[in-house]
Amino acid sequence: ETGVTQSPTHLIKTRGQQVTLRCSSQSGHNTVSWYQQALGQGPQFIFQYYREEENGRGNFPPRFSGLQFPNYSSELNVNALELDDSALYLCASSRSGIQETQYFGPGTRLLVL
Amino acid sequence: AQSVTQLDSHVSVSEGTPVLLRCNYSSSYSPSLFWYVQHPNKGLQLLLKYTSAATLVKGINGFEAEFKKSETSFHLTKPSAHMSDAAEYFCVVSGYSSASKIIFGSGTRLSIRP
Repeated sequence: ETGVTQSPTHLIKTRGQQVTLRCSSQSGHNTVSWYQQALGQGPQFIFQYYREEENGRGNFPPRFSGLQFPNYSSELNVNALELDDSALYLCASSRSGIQETQYFGPGTRLLVL
Repeated sequence: AQSVTQLDSHVSVSEGTPVLLRCNYSSSYSPSLFWYVQHPNKGLQLLLKYTSAATLVKGINGFEAEFKKSETSFHLTKPSAHMSDAAEYFCVVSGYSSASKIIFGSGTRLSIRP
């Protein structure tokens, strides 16, 4: 089975711009979660998608939005980028259910200048 | 509300000696608890998880953790450290509700001395 993949691996943007990050979930998984990991910190939960619907959200403003597609791949969109948005963005896929093991992708490193 | 606290930001042990990484949690209902490992420039990998079955959970690479409800702890242990265990370790708590947040601890960096 193929693992979780994310694109791009690295990205540089300037303040105020918009960015879209992509994630392909592992085969057989219908749930995707997104995390932000700032340097030297633990990942922070942004939101989770299950069957194309948002299924839980962390303390992130509405300029962080997402989509899940019928093939269970997902996008994370961030509008009006701020310097503090610079971080590693991790995607994890799993079967449905909060107890299920999440399988993480390698992440997208975003730098906002 | 849920929270998780990793009590040590950095732990250093000698190769061949035991490892103890401490994690305390807070949850208003029975949580699911996980330990993940993150090697430099690599993705997060699940070591083990507790989901209300046996309180002693065995994971990969010789790691295990014990769920102690009375102490609200889920410490990670390994009898004998190996150089390849050097990495960042995260304790994670989540609840049963589908809308629950998944909370990562701040991480413990494990260093192994030769």
